[in-house]
Amino acid sequence: AQTVTQSQPEMSVQEAETVTLSCTYDTSESDYYLFWYKQPPSRQMILVIRQEAYKQQNATENRFSVNFQKAAKSFSLKISDSQLGDAAMYFCAYRRGAGANSKLTFGKGITLSVRP
Amino acid sequence: DTGVSQNPRHKITKRGQNVTFRCDPISEHNRLYWYRQTLGQGPEFLTYFQNEAQLEKSRLLSDRFSAERPKGSFSTLEIQRTEQGDSAMYLCASTTGQGWHNEQFFGPGTRLTVL
Repeated sequence: AQTVTQSQPEMSVQEAETVTLSCTYDTSESDYYLFWYKQPPSRQMILVIRQEAYKQQNATENRFSVNFQKAAKSFSLKISDSQLGDAAMYFCAYRRGAGANSKLTFGKGITLSVRP
Repeated sequence: DTGVSQNPRHKITKRGQNVTFRCDPISEHNRLYWYRQTLGQGPEFLTYFQNEAQLEKSRLLSDRFSAERPKGSFSTLEIQRTEQGDSAMYLCASTTGQGWHNEQFFGPGTRLTVL
């Protein structure tokens, strides 16, 4: 079974600074996707960024980028120029590749606070 | 708004009562998922529909839980004889197809409190 581990329950960052959220996963599959989701307080979960396992290049979406280390099964999220609106719970998630039920397996999440 | 909607947003019930939640996915999405999220945890998969067919159920989904998706449109999740351990946020997500564009769009969730 696939597992996703987020070992840091909370992190804090100063506005405009950079923060890195850690995630490790375990799988025996070779074809899979990894995601970071953001869940603001009392609001619905939204996708921040995704990475296909077969792609060596790290995904980037504006201020958000990932460091995908396939051999180490590590998938960290870097938020640059942090903004107050980035405060939320962040979940790392795994999905098996094409042809499989595309359910997501989530980590426990990390609460990110942004200090003004 | 064409996002995923869920009703009710909050439900408080007494132990032993039955509750039903509804999820309306994005209209062209043929895949629908239910997840459960307890306090301080990430969402956990409950069940999955492709159109009207329920293709997978988690072992978390006990006999007291039943989900339907008649005509492949909206879905309902019913919990019979609720227990305090059922208190959680129930999330619905929908998506279309496989591959790169298979982003799951989540609804706002239904928060269940069992007294």
